[in-house]
Amino acid sequence: ETGVTQTPRHLVMGMTNKKSLKCEQHLGHNAMYWYKQSAKKPLELMFVYSLEERVENNSVPSRFSPECPNSSHLFLHLHTLQPEDSALYLCASSQDSGRPLHFGNGTRLTVT
Amino acid sequence: GQQLNQSPQSMFIQEGEDVSMNCTSSSIFNTWLWYKQDPGEGPVLLIALYKAGELTSNGRLTAQFGTTRKDSFLNISASIPSDVGIYFCAGGNSWGKLQFGAGTQVVVTP
Repeated sequence: ETGVTQTPRHLVMGMTNKKSLKCEQHLGHNAMYWYKQSAKKPLELMFVYSLEERVENNSVPSRFSPECPNSSHLFLHLHTLQPEDSALYLCASSQDSGRPLHFGNGTRLTVT
Repeated sequence: GQQLNQSPQSMFIQEGEDVSMNCTSSSIFNTWLWYKQDPGEGPVLLIALYKAGELTSNGRLTAQFGTTRKDSFLNISASIPSDVGIYFCAGGNSWGKLQFGAGTQVVVTP
């Protein structure tokens, strides 16, 4: 596989569930990102990891918890979400020396 | 905070027509990027611009980095049906702090 792979592609969860989103990049990049995409709104940066250290937490509620065990993998752990958290969650990676972001195809999350 | 205004929000064009969209910012950027997103997929990079005044082409696509460093435009020439999608601009000064526009939805009719 090449590029940035996200699983699952679709997820429906209740407000009391706990689930995790997974992202894997095969590009040899050393920075990874989580973005939230809602309809007709700009992409919202959630978290940035560089060399496995979190360097940005963009005022995201604690019900979203990221984890970056190594430079190729990124997780987003979800618990007690709200219906307004329903959105497309995009993972991206880059070389932090100044290369553009490469995005995965996203996880479409629906909170019921 | 920084605001990126992308326009138009949507456009309906006939196959063969040229398309133009732009982004303006209240702040100066060192980089402008243009992405395209197809339904059910993530954004794919089209063109990256790193220098004020830079004009770069990628096939039928041409993008320019405005000389004020506060704007950029994307042109698509001779549109074809596969040009359908949402086009996003992004500006920034570091990769962790890119600002994205809200997107331009392009619909191409035969």
